Amino acid sequence: TQLLEQSPQFLSIQEGENLTVYCNSSSVFSSLQWYRQEPGEGPVLLVTVVTGGEVKKLKRLTFQFGDARKDSSLHITAAQPGDTGLYLCAGEKEQGAQKLVFGQGTRLTINP
Amino acid sequence: GAGVSQSPSNKVTEKGKDVELRCDPISGHTALYWYRQRLGQGLEFLIYFQGNSAPDKSGLPSDRFSAERTGESVSTLTIQRTQQEDSAVYLCASSLDAPGSYEQYFGPGTRLTVT
Repeated sequence: TQLLEQSPQFLSIQEGENLTVYCNSSSVFSSLQWYRQEPGEGPVLLVTVVTGGEVKKLKRLTFQFGDARKDSSLHITAAQPGDTGLYLCAGEKEQGAQKLVFGQGTRLTINP
Repeated sequence: GAGVSQSPSNKVTEKGKDVELRCDPISGHTALYWYRQRLGQGLEFLIYFQGNSAPDKSGLPSDRFSAERTGESVSTLTIQRTQQEDSAVYLCASSLDAPGSYEQYFGPGTRLTVT
């Protein structure tokens, strides 16, 4: 049983389109992180959200933490080929615990 | 500064052999993690070291897996009597052990192939 469910698992869209990736759980998390991983490399942190309802923006990427701190979304506006990669959400169940639970990832392909 | 490094980058071994994977964390990071990532999958937590505390081994899949860490530096993950299902990328990460320091910094991983 996956504690964090990501959807969709695969997404292939054309350059310029918008997309949203979801990360859902029945558990409450003290914080949630989004990572991006490129082939042959380790994941790199994009953002951390800690407050229910929090919205963070990183250029064309918008991250939201659900009010109940059980889910999160990543929205990309006007996707570019450089956005291609594996997007992973990861939740910290207890504040300060530092042990993260990862979702299975969303593999995103942006076609020129 | 230097990031997390792992060696070897690739390892091919025969079924039944033992392998040792190495991780050099970022200097000053007291927390160190090992994860396993199967092809096309997310990260599976294996073990977590935090300072001088006893490691959290709750993610180790079997007693063939073990890990050690020397003080707050190098860690080795050992897999004994490897099986084909052990084939995966093994990722190491380190982080500061401080309130509000949520980010884990990952190494590039070791790709293990068991034939």
